[in-house]
Amino acid sequence: EADIYQTPRYLVIGTGKKITLECSQTMGHDKMYWYQQDPGMELHLIHYSYGVNSTEKGDLSSESTVSRIRTEHFPLTLESARPSHTSQYLCASTDRGDIQYFGAGTRLSVL
Amino acid sequence: KNQVEQSPQSLIILEGKNCTLQCNYTVSPFSNLRWYKQDTGRGPVSLTIMTFSENTKSNGRYTATLDADTKQSSLHITASQLSDSASYICVVSDRGSTLGRLYFGRGTQLTVWP
Repeated sequence: EADIYQTPRYLVIGTGKKITLECSQTMGHDKMYWYQQDPGMELHLIHYSYGVNSTEKGDLSSESTVSRIRTEHFPLTLESARPSHTSQYLCASTDRGDIQYFGAGTRLSVL
Repeated sequence: KNQVEQSPQSLIILEGKNCTLQCNYTVSPFSNLRWYKQDTGRGPVSLTIMTFSENTKSNGRYTATLDADTKQSSLHITASQLSDSASYICVVSDRGSTLGRLYFGRGTQLTVWP
């Protein structure tokens, strides 16, 4: 069982609200990632980080932002949520052996 | 275009039976291929990871094969159990960037019936 945690697991909010999805890992991994996954579809990389103060946008354009102030913490923020943001968001980190560990995910519904 | 295609899209088998899932990819250059198991509502969990020089790798009842020449991989599940019901995702990594970019398939949804 990987030590990577996401909160909340489920979130239902109204349009226009600001939200932050939390992701923490206790494995000391430098590389961390955020993916977006719709039902029955592949994972799409939206953000990644090589370490503290390093953040990059992924392949899928996203209106979300991320920060990496501490190694163990990689939160994702949506300033103004819209129904099109409804999806599952998965956080992951990678060890030195290039094995990727995923959190349980946050299922977001924007009404 | 770098792609990962999986088949079948879904599969139903009876408990105790074996099954084989397929993955074809066009990713180039190639670094490694991974198989993940994703339970409903959970994050993916790594089953195997194979590099170019590896033809087969096992993890309990899961055996993955890789043919780098034909760019094909398979995941064989032996003596299936109800807990094997999940989506199985094939992921290919290139070595074209320091990120080692990952290309995800859409997964095969396996259902094991008692």
